[in-house]
Amino acid sequence: EAQVTQNPRYLITVTGKKLTVTCSQNMNHEYMSWYRQDPGLGLRQIYYSMNVEVTDKGDVPEGYKVSRKEKRNFPLILESPSPNQTSLYFCASSRANRGGTGELFFGEGSRLTVL
Amino acid sequence: GDSVTQMEGPVTLSEEAFLTINCTYTATGYPSLFWYVQYPGEGLQLLLKATKADDKGSNKGFEATYRKETTSFHLEKGSVQVSDSAVYFCALSDRGRAGANNLFFGTGTRLTVIP
Repeated sequence: EAQVTQNPRYLITVTGKKLTVTCSQNMNHEYMSWYRQDPGLGLRQIYYSMNVEVTDKGDVPEGYKVSRKEKRNFPLILESPSPNQTSLYFCASSRANRGGTGELFFGEGSRLTVL
Repeated sequence: GDSVTQMEGPVTLSEEAFLTINCTYTATGYPSLFWYVQYPGEGLQLLLKATKADDKGSNKGFEATYRKETTSFHLEKGSVQVSDSAVYFCALSDRGRAGANNLFFGTGTRLTVIP
């Protein structure tokens, strides 16, 4: 089954304790991206990757890091989480398509609470 | 910059009522337009799309027409069902930009359909 898998689905942590949210896709997609979803703000892009070892900032990258060492994995790293990073996070993937017409496939989301 | 403005919710309708969710966009290039749907507890999934002016996207009884002259992509359905209760997101990808896979999302409109 084609899917994007995120872990953990739910996490409560404390300020400053480093954490990683993993994302893996089994569709051999080149493109992967992280979004955060907040009430009244919709989805905002954090980082994206067009292929292995190629990453770039989205609209709200501050406080986050990513890496793309393998095609299937795109982990999101919070080196020192703060309460304003409490949010619902989504990973997404698609075929790399310069025409921008392709479908994004989303994971089920990771709800993070930083105390 | 690119942006999407969609009708604020929440929207509550009775079963079999007509649905319209308004969406307008601003883009510097040649955008593709999308509607994504998020059912409770799930990630987003593509509902329909249109890649050029005057295209009509349709799926599951929903329709939206790409109107370049009014920069709009309104979502419509003639007769909603309880199972349509979800959050609906309008989005665009700007084919003229690097990273054309990136989607810009509206803030989402929550639809509740009551029996």
